Amino acid sequence: DTAVSQTPKYLVTQMGNDKSIKCEQNLGHDTMYWYKQDSKKFLKIMFSYNNKELIINETVPNRFSPKSPDKAHLNLHINSLELGDSAVYFCASSPQGMTYNSPLHFGNGTRLTVT
Amino acid sequence: GDSVTQMEGPVTLSEEAFLTINCTYTATGYPSLFWYVQYPGEGLQLLLKATKADDKGSNKGFEATYRKETTSFHLEKGSVQVSDSAVYFCALSSAGGYNKLIFGAGTRLAVHP
Repeated sequence: DTAVSQTPKYLVTQMGNDKSIKCEQNLGHDTMYWYKQDSKKFLKIMFSYNNKELIINETVPNRFSPKSPDKAHLNLHINSLELGDSAVYFCASSPQGMTYNSPLHFGNGTRLTVT
Repeated sequence: GDSVTQMEGPVTLSEEAFLTINCTYTATGYPSLFWYVQYPGEGLQLLLKATKADDKGSNKGFEATYRKETTSFHLEKGSVQVSDSAVYFCALSSAGGYNKLIFGAGTRLAVHP
């Protein structure tokens, strides 16, 4: 009964490939997010969707494309992978993304390694 | 822009020692403030939060007070346990916008018996 689940947990791939990471939440939350955590543990928001609508789109290369088929799912597709994309990617959700003090619930992360 | 600064780690303590992890912030208006904890191999979990000045958030023996005059939200615990070993993140979310959490760099805590 995992609340926010991501797949895969580990992803090793070569430069230039295209890959996807999937995320699902069963909390009934309206808002979902993608965060990137680099090797120094620094976390930065990438995208946020509220009820399938994109509401936050940080300065991220357009090789990264999020897709939200419904409010319980937010997938991340990455084209033409580069070495610098190696990181841990976290999916998260919150009850009310349109307000500013709604705590986030995180998945366990996907460790992406690009060789 | 908004930002969060945390003390650098690692912080290494003996069991039952007193813990303080400093956190200061820069933000326009009155943000909400959070502490999240990340155990090895896991995602972040909300530890505590405070949404207005002088609020004290507390959970599992940890506490932090929202100090507007010093723009701080220091995390404290009176007696740490080995199981508290983790990375602790201070974060803010600014009023007037979407729920965009801005995190500090994280502070690793190692507690030994």
